[in-house]
Amino acid sequence: AQTVTQSQPEMSVQEAETVTLSCTYDTSESNYYLFWYKQPPSRQMILVIRQEAYKQQNATENRFSVNFQKAAKSFSLKISDSQLGDTAMYFCAFMNRDDKIIFGKGTRLHILP
Amino acid sequence: DADVTQTPRNRITKTGKRIMLECSQTKGHDRMYWYRQDPGLGLRLIYYSFDVKDINKGEISDGYSVSRQAQAKFSLSLESAIPNQTALYFCATSDLAPGTSGTSSYNEQFFGPGTRLTVL
Repeated sequence: AQTVTQSQPEMSVQEAETVTLSCTYDTSESNYYLFWYKQPPSRQMILVIRQEAYKQQNATENRFSVNFQKAAKSFSLKISDSQLGDTAMYFCAFMNRDDKIIFGKGTRLHILP
Repeated sequence: DADVTQTPRNRITKTGKRIMLECSQTKGHDRMYWYRQDPGLGLRLIYYSFDVKDINKGEISDGYSVSRQAQAKFSLSLESAIPNQTALYFCATSDLAPGTSGTSSYNEQFFGPGTRLTVL
């Protein structure tokens, strides 16, 4: 069975700093998708970034980028120039070809002014 | 208007009561999902439906049932609510999309705003 592990329950960083959230996963499949979701206090689930396992190039979306290490089954999220609006719970997630998503337990990120 | 809506947004009920949470979508998607979120546990899949005639159990279906009344509507029922069903419930939808490389497909899931359910 696939599993997703986020080892940092909570983190705090100063505004404008760079922060990296860790995620590891376990699967025997070779083709899959990985995601980072953001859940602000409004509780809406917002897709931040996605990575397709067959692509070697790391995904980037503005200030958000990932470090995807397929052999190590690692998928970390880097937030550059962090902003107060980045304060949220962040979930790492895995999806295989049957379209079911498996979520990690989340990392609560606080951006401090 | 939101593409995926959930009603009610918040609900407080008592142990033993029957509760129905409703989800509607205007995205025209065939696939719909119900998740439960508990503090410290992330989101877990309760049930999913790939079309109106297809209903499947997810990771934690015990104590829940679902009904797919139409392509656009997917309801979650708690026949006899218990306190450990207190949680945040999310509905999501997705549709089949062609893969960008021809070797795989990616079906983004779009989430509703969530329903906070409290069972006393």
